[in-house]
Amino acid sequence: SYVLTQPPSVSVAPGRTASITCGGNNIGSIGVHWYQQKPGQAPILVIYYDTDRPSGIPERFSGSKSGNMATLTISRVEARDEADYYCQVWDSTNDHHWVFGGGTKLTVL
Amino acid sequence: EVQLVESGGGLVKPGGSLRLSCAASGFTFSRYNMNWVRQAPGKGLEWVSSISYSSTYIYYTDSVKGRFTISRDNAKSSLFLQMNSLRAEDTAVYYCVRTYDSTGYYGGYWGQGALVTVSS
Repeated sequence: SYVLTQPPSVSVAPGRTASITCGGNNIGSIGVHWYQQKPGQAPILVIYYDTDRPSGIPERFSGSKSGNMATLTISRVEARDEADYYCQVWDSTNDHHWVFGGGTKLTVL
Repeated sequence: EVQLVESGGGLVKPGGSLRLSCAASGFTFSRYNMNWVRQAPGKGLEWVSSISYSSTYIYYTDSVKGRFTISRDNAKSSLFLQMNSLRAEDTAVYYCVRTYDSTGYYGGYWGQGALVTVSS
C-alpha cells in the first residue's frame, strides 16, 4: 500500500518560515492535501491539490511539490500555527483509499 | 454553514457492536461523498471508509472489512457506521468527513468526532 513519510517534528521561531515535507513514491503525479489539527480539535483542510487554499485559510499557508516530495510552507509563523500537520493522498490503485502521512508536530519556539 | 455532528460513541467490550451516526446540515447531503476517519489516542489520522453520494460505491480500509458497514440516508441527511466484532485497536475518535468537492478525494469538512473505547 502507498506510504507517505513526514518528519515527526519541526520547530521554528515566530516570524520565520516553516517547511513541512511529505514524501511518497511518484507523488508528483497525484494530488496532495494538507490538514492542520490543534489539540482536542478536528482537522482543518489548509491546502488541497498541492497548492490551492480553501477560503478562510491565510495566504501565509502555501503548498508545492518537487520530485517525490510535497511541501507545506508556512510563512511568518505565528504562535497560533502550532499544531499537527498531516498530508494526504487518494490512492486510486488501492481500492480508492485515502492515505495519510504520519503527521508532523510544528512547534513555535 | 456546513455542520457534521457525530453521535453513538461510547464504551463497549471486545467483540461487541456500536453504531455511529452523523447528522449533516448546511449543504445538500445527497450531492457529496462521505467518509469516516479515525484517530487512536495520541496517534495519527486513519481513513476508515467511504461511501459515494448515491451509495453506489463503498470502500473500507483492510482492517475493518467484514466488520464495519458504512451506510447513508439521504432523505434524513445522515451517515452511519455499524461496527461489529470490535477490537481494542478500534479504540479511537471517529470523525464524519464530507469531501470538499465532488471528486471524493479529500476531506473538506469534519465533525468534532465521537469517541469509541473498546475495553473489558
